[in-house]
Amino acid sequence: KAGVTQTPRYLIKTRGQQVTLSCSPISGHRSVSWYQQTPGQGLQFLFEYFSETQRNKGNFPGRFSGRQFSNSRSEMNVSTLELGDSALYLCASSLAWDQGWLFFGEGSRLTVL
Amino acid sequence: DAKTTQPPSMDCAEGRAANLPCNHSTISGNEYVYWYRQIHSQGPQYIIHGLKNNETNEMASLIITEDRKSSTLILPHATLRDTAVYYCIVREYGNKLVFGTGTILRVKS
Repeated sequence: KAGVTQTPRYLIKTRGQQVTLSCSPISGHRSVSWYQQTPGQGLQFLFEYFSETQRNKGNFPGRFSGRQFSNSRSEMNVSTLELGDSALYLCASSLAWDQGWLFFGEGSRLTVL
Repeated sequence: DAKTTQPPSMDCAEGRAANLPCNHSTISGNEYVYWYRQIHSQGPQYIIHGLKNNETNEMASLIITEDRKSSTLILPHATLRDTAVYYCIVREYGNKLVFGTGTILRVKS
């Protein structure tokens, strides 16, 4: 079956703009979590959604937000982009919250100029 | 902060077993040990996980010490395609994984 799909794969934005990233989980998976990966900070947890509810949140400013739809697809939004937001944003899905292992997508690489 | 400590890098000859150690001395009784790997520019890939007992699947074996303070991931016959960053993670709750810096495994021919 199809894996986790993230779109867009690459994008370039300028400071102050906002960006929306999309994630389609594996069919049947109801939990979606987001991670940010940078060379300096490594992989860091952003937030997790299950049944359209945010279940857990990492230590990121309020400019980072997300949501999950009834079909389990998820989006994350970053407003007022800063240079430091340049990163690989990874989405992962699993069957349920606190159940099973995570399947990661290939990521969306964001460059902020 | 990550609950695990791993060596920053290791080398392994192709065809030999790769043994990747991980220390997790503060692990709690109901916390699982998970291993993921990340090949350059790809998303992390699940390898194996365990609680107390040793585990084996088609990719690897996981050996957890009796006191659960450390574990070893074993890739029985490493190939060049196993060159990656390997992350040992103590999964606390939910799907929040706290990644450390991992071990860069270089498999050489």
